[in-house]
Amino acid sequence: DVKVTQSSRYLVKRTGEKVFLECVQDMDHENMFWYRQDPGLGLRLIYFSYDVKMKEKGDIPEGYSVSREKKERFSLILESASTNQTSMYLCASRSWTGNNSPLHFGNGTRLTVT
Amino acid sequence: AQKITQTQPGMFVQEKEAVTLDCTYDTSDQSYGLFWYKQPSSGEMIFLIYQGSYDEQNATEGRYSLNFQKARKSANLVISASQLGDSAMYFCAMREGISSGSARQLTFGSGTQLTVLP
Repeated sequence: DVKVTQSSRYLVKRTGEKVFLECVQDMDHENMFWYRQDPGLGLRLIYFSYDVKMKEKGDIPEGYSVSREKKERFSLILESASTNQTSMYLCASRSWTGNNSPLHFGNGTRLTVT
Repeated sequence: AQKITQTQPGMFVQEKEAVTLDCTYDTSDQSYGLFWYKQPSSGEMIFLIYQGSYDEQNATEGRYSLNFQKARKSANLVISASQLGDSAMYFCAMREGISSGSARQLTFGSGTQLTVLP
């Protein structure tokens, strides 16, 4: 089974702090994604990466950056956390092969910015 | 415009009955894929079922089936014989541009919270 691991389940940070959310997958997947989930809005794509050192902006990249130095690890960075970034963050990965290959998700990180 | 629309924020169903969760989508691509995910209160996202735009038959996976109506651009999830453990949030999602190979992300709807009553 694919395992996608997010380093923290719950995180509380102060406004202005730099925040790192880490995600590791163990199935050698090429594609990795960061989504945020908010009530009534579903999941919205922040950034994704289709290979090492490659990244593309999703629908809501403002205030975020990402890093993919190794294939198995995809980090989401909040350069200066703000209260409107309080949310559930979900990391996912996917194999390149197969149009029907689903995203495999981690358990999420619930971030609170105070 | 919303690419994925789930018009039912919440649904209730009696245990052992069938329930249909609605999903409509908007795309100009000819080749695309539709996915359904389940998210229990624990927060994990569980993949349930997939339907490709060129698939001639509706997808089925155990108690889950997808009522795919291409002309109406709808991909409703049908859960038969509901169980208490089916209580969860359900998300419909779409992957566009499959034929071009350029798009890999999923676009999600806002979700439907299903509650199964004993």
